[in-house]
Amino acid sequence: AQSVTQPDIHITVSEGASLELRCNYSYGATPYLFWYVQSPGQGLQLLLKYFSGDTLVQGIKGFEAEFKRSQSSFNLRKPSVHWSDAAEYFCAVGAGSGNTGKLIFGQGTTLQVKP
Amino acid sequence: NAGVTQTPKFRILKIGQSMTLQCTQDMNHNYMYWYRQDPGMGLKLIYYSVGAGITDKGEVPNGYNVSRSTTEDFPLRLELAAPSQTSVYFCASGAGGPYEQYFGPGTRLTVT
Repeated sequence: AQSVTQPDIHITVSEGASLELRCNYSYGATPYLFWYVQSPGQGLQLLLKYFSGDTLVQGIKGFEAEFKRSQSSFNLRKPSVHWSDAAEYFCAVGAGSGNTGKLIFGQGTTLQVKP
Repeated sequence: NAGVTQTPKFRILKIGQSMTLQCTQDMNHNYMYWYRQDPGMGLKLIYYSVGAGITDKGEVPNGYNVSRSTTEDFPLRLELAAPSQTSVYFCASGAGGPYEQYFGPGTRLTVT
C-alpha cells in the first residue's frame, strides 16, 4: 500500500538559514509527488509537484524538491528561510490506480522560524 | 473566481446531531474530495467524486455520506455526530491524475 512518512514533526531554523524537510514514500510505480503548505487557519496551497522528467523541481516562494527514486525520497529545500515561511508542510503521493487524483498525505512537519 | 468555498467555518454539534458541510467549486473540476485533518495525522481522505453522480469511499468513510448532483457542489453529511468526528474538514477539487488539488479554507467541527 502507498504511504508517506515525514520523519520530522517539528523543525526550528533561524531566519536566513537553509532548510530541508524530509519526505519518504512507498509506492510501486513512478509516483506523483506533491508538497503543500498550510499557514495557520488556512487551507493547503501547492508548493510544487513531480510526476515525470527532471528530478529537481522548482516551486513557488523559492522552494525546490528533488525526487530520488533509489532512496524513495522527495525532500523539500530552501536556501534561505524567511519568517513568513513558518507554517505546516505536507508531502503527498498520488494514490491508487486510474486517474482519480487521490492523495496520501504524510503527517506534516511544522516549521518554526527564529528571528 | 472564488475557487473552493466551504460553509460553515466553525460548528459545534452535540452527540447524535446531524449536519451537512457544504462545498462548492467554480473551476469546473470533475474531481472533488473531502479530507479530515487531525493533529499529527496529516489529512485523511473521507470520500471523493470523479464526476456528477459518481462517488466512492476513501480511507476513513465511516460515519459520513456524500452526494454529487452537480459538478459544482459536493456536500458531506454527518448523520449521528460522535466525538471522534471532532476535526477540521477540508474540501478540494482538481482535474485528477497528477494535477494540483485546490483546497477550501476548512470547517472546524467540534462534537461534544
